[in-house]
Amino acid sequence: DGGITQSPKYLFRKEGQNVTLSCEQNLNHDAMYWYRQDPGQGLRLIYYSQIVNDFQKGDIAEGYSVSREKKESFPLTVTSAQKNPTAFYLCASTGGIHSGANVLTFGAGSRLTVL
Amino acid sequence: AQSVAQPEDQVNVAEGNPLTVKCTYSVSGNPYLFWYVQYPNRGLQFLLKYITGDNLVKGSYGFEAEFNKSQTSFHLKKPSALVSDSALYFCAVRDMSGNTPLVFGKGTRLSVIA
Repeated sequence: DGGITQSPKYLFRKEGQNVTLSCEQNLNHDAMYWYRQDPGQGLRLIYYSQIVNDFQKGDIAEGYSVSREKKESFPLTVTSAQKNPTAFYLCASTGGIHSGANVLTFGAGSRLTVL
Repeated sequence: AQSVAQPEDQVNVAEGNPLTVKCTYSVSGNPYLFWYVQYPNRGLQFLLKYITGDNLVKGSYGFEAEFNKSQTSFHLKKPSALVSDSALYFCAVRDMSGNTPLVFGKGTRLSVIA
């Protein structure tokens, strides 16, 4: 079945450590996104990528980094510079560029907890 | 700039009663509007979208939404709520004229009580 796979589902990190969240899609989608979800704050966009080897900052990019070396993969690194990284992270993708009425497909999410 | 407001953090409704989850939006041009649903510890699932045309949009699981341009609203509705409808609902908007990502509201938690 086509879809988006995020791993790990749960991750614990000590303060000061970088951690990388994986996002893989087999939908042949061009655009991919990372969102952060906190209770009561909805979804906030971290980074997005419309094509391979290109990505743009979203609303809350500070303390995060991404790469887009392959169309199907869009990993997110949460660096030690991110002051409050404990959150639920969602990866999404859509066919074509993100303008228009294209529907986002979401992964099941990764829950990061900083100890 | 585009934005979405969901004025209610929580909506409670009895099973079998109609439900409404409210959403208002702000865009500079015409909007594309979406509703997504999220079950606990899962990603979001698409329910329905408004592109153009008929103001009443029908979607998955018996949900529908009404686009009201004068009130800049896109409320989600269902004639008869089920306990299984209990979840977190997100409204989202994108300006038709721009090349910008989707903007989500903060979400409304729907609880359907048996």
